[in-house]
Amino acid sequence: DAGVTQSPTHLIKTRGQQVTLRCSPKSGHDTVSWYQQALGQGPQFIFQYYEEEERQRGNFPDRFSGHQFPNYSSELNVNALLLGDSALYLCASSPRNRGRSDEQFFGPGTRLTVL
Amino acid sequence: DAKTTQPPSMDCAEGRAANLPCNHSTISGNEYVYWYRQIHSQGPQYIIHGLKNNETNEMASLIITEDRKSSTLILPHATLRDTAVYYCIVRVVGNAGNMLTFGGGTRLMVKP
Repeated sequence: DAGVTQSPTHLIKTRGQQVTLRCSPKSGHDTVSWYQQALGQGPQFIFQYYEEEERQRGNFPDRFSGHQFPNYSSELNVNALLLGDSALYLCASSPRNRGRSDEQFFGPGTRLTVL
Repeated sequence: DAKTTQPPSMDCAEGRAANLPCNHSTISGNEYVYWYRQIHSQGPQYIIHGLKNNETNEMASLIITEDRKSSTLILPHATLRDTAVYYCIVRVVGNAGNMLTFGGGTRLMVKP
């Protein structure tokens, strides 16, 4: 059973460019969350997708957008990249069963460097 | 979600128990205590969670004080592979969203 997978593993972009990161959730999971982790800090919640809609959003600007596909995979898009967007981007998946542990499974992340 | 306070770093000798404290004095009655850890260059990994009773699984034990204002994660026999950043998070289970709010965590260094 494959866990959460993310692609690419590393990415280098320049300021002003746009980037798309991809995530495939763990088998049986239908909810995908995205987090940004700057160097030396804990992950910060960006947004969560369920049933192909954004359900929750953290304190991130509209330059950050996402999408969820019918197979539950997800994309994170960042427009007009800034140097401060350099970070590890983590995807986490979970089943939407209420009353369960709500344990989230994280992928290995995509390391984005903006020059 | 309630805020947590953890020491920024701790050391532990290999083979000894690692006791990681967490203060969550503003925790609400319906909030659970969760622990995740993040080994270098990997995504966070779920360890354990609890509401008010002590919990144990194959990875660790969670001790929650009676007033629920603090807790301790115990790794009974720490190994070098337990070197990681450990995050204590309090949150409601089963609400409309299940976002995790990470603080700075505790950097545990297990030494030979």
